[in-house]
Amino acid sequence: GAGVSQSPSNKVTEKGKDVELRCDPISGHTALYWYRQRLGQGLEFLIYFQGNSAPDKSGLPSDRFSAERTGESVSTLTIQRTQQEDSAVYLCASTLLPKNSPLHFGNGTRLTVT
Amino acid sequence: KNQVEQSPQSLIILEGKNCTLQCNYTVSPFSNLRWYKQDTGRGPVSLTIMTFSENTKSNGRYTATLDADTKQSSLHITASQLSDSASYICVVTGGGNKLTFGTGTQLKVEL
Repeated sequence: GAGVSQSPSNKVTEKGKDVELRCDPISGHTALYWYRQRLGQGLEFLIYFQGNSAPDKSGLPSDRFSAERTGESVSTLTIQRTQQEDSAVYLCASTLLPKNSPLHFGNGTRLTVT
Repeated sequence: KNQVEQSPQSLIILEGKNCTLQCNYTVSPFSNLRWYKQDTGRGPVSLTIMTFSENTKSNGRYTATLDADTKQSSLHITASQLSDSASYICVVTGGGNKLTFGTGTQLKVEL
């Protein structure tokens, strides 16, 4: 595909349920980032992958959040036992070389926890 | 603490007018500074990237400046169009490829 693809685009779930969000980065992009954006607020860093390893997962807000990446490609962000404060847009971005290359963002998954 | 502050928080201008958005940062060490445009309901899209040695960079009607000494950047939009209505985000890359995002300036261009 031409860009970063995220699925689903929208997800409504009940409090306490687990959700899995998927990110398909641009082919060949070695670096992958997950961000959270609450309504009207800036992007909040969650986790960074270089290849399949995550050298920086300092932004994960609690142990209910986890992410993995396989085949230096697809990444999934899992939120267990969702809470209402988890409601946000979850954005994924990828880049070829993280230092001086632009991040290419997907359009995000809008998660609503009821 | 690494921070990126943007001003103004929001701005309304008439179509055809110019505007300048500001970004001040305290990120250290500094690797690069990026400006992104985020349309409502979409992911951010890169406008410019500047490294330490670059003072100015243009992308069509967008011109970004960087003063690494004062740790300030600006994004100038010339001859604004309705489609420029969006959030403009300043992002600074520091050590370890850590990105620090500003909270953005919400620009609205009106007829």
